Amino acid sequence: QQPVQSPQAVILREGEDAVINCSSSKALYSVHWYRQKHGEAPVFLMILLKGGEQKGHEKISASFNEKKQQSSLYLTASQLSYSGTYFCGTEGPENYGQNFVFGPGTRLSVLP
Amino acid sequence: EAGVAQSPRYKIIEKRQSVAFWCNPISGHATLYWYQQILGQGPKLLIQFQNNGVVDDSQLPKDRFSAERLKGVDSTLKIQPAKLEDSAVYLCASSSGVAGGPNEQFFGPGTRLTVL
Repeated sequence: QQPVQSPQAVILREGEDAVINCSSSKALYSVHWYRQKHGEAPVFLMILLKGGEQKGHEKISASFNEKKQQSSLYLTASQLSYSGTYFCGTEGPENYGQNFVFGPGTRLSVLP
Repeated sequence: EAGVAQSPRYKIIEKRQSVAFWCNPISGHATLYWYQQILGQGPKLLIQFQNNGVVDDSQLPKDRFSAERLKGVDSTLKIQPAKLEDSAVYLCASSSGVAGGPNEQFFGPGTRLTVL
């Protein structure tokens, strides 16, 4: 079952922050985050494992609440290069590679 | 390290024709995925291979789509016959497939299919 992402789209000015949410109705083992720029393939950002782990990647970080089957992606001090569509991907419930499914995406536009 | 290779990059066909896409994953990657991405949507998993075995093909329209990964390396996805609604980008991805390990996926450039 496809996870739900919110918001569907967001527009920011450079330097502003954003949060993208991903939620699932099923138990999860891990959550992936990918970014896809227009006309390009998705690029991996990070994986979060069940256990409530929080990870960071430059000014992009994420958290995973296993009990709520929810993950959030945090973009701080956004840059023009952050523009694109962000997809979460979920798998589980017991291990990697099980029932992998992408969400519908959140379109992020960063303006100068 | 070479990335995931796909060919062709673009293909235009008439409905009811056949088409085949090829994917060569990153060397040593055991897991290979084929996705269909319709404009404005997230990638939809069509089939997942672990080496040369199928792990998940629950969303593959088996009456017209087929895929194989005979030697556990490269893979071919075929559509026969194509319909208008098959117009999409077909993405191939691979991951290490290490048991118990995180499996980030590396994507190829995709094949943009237009069915007229």
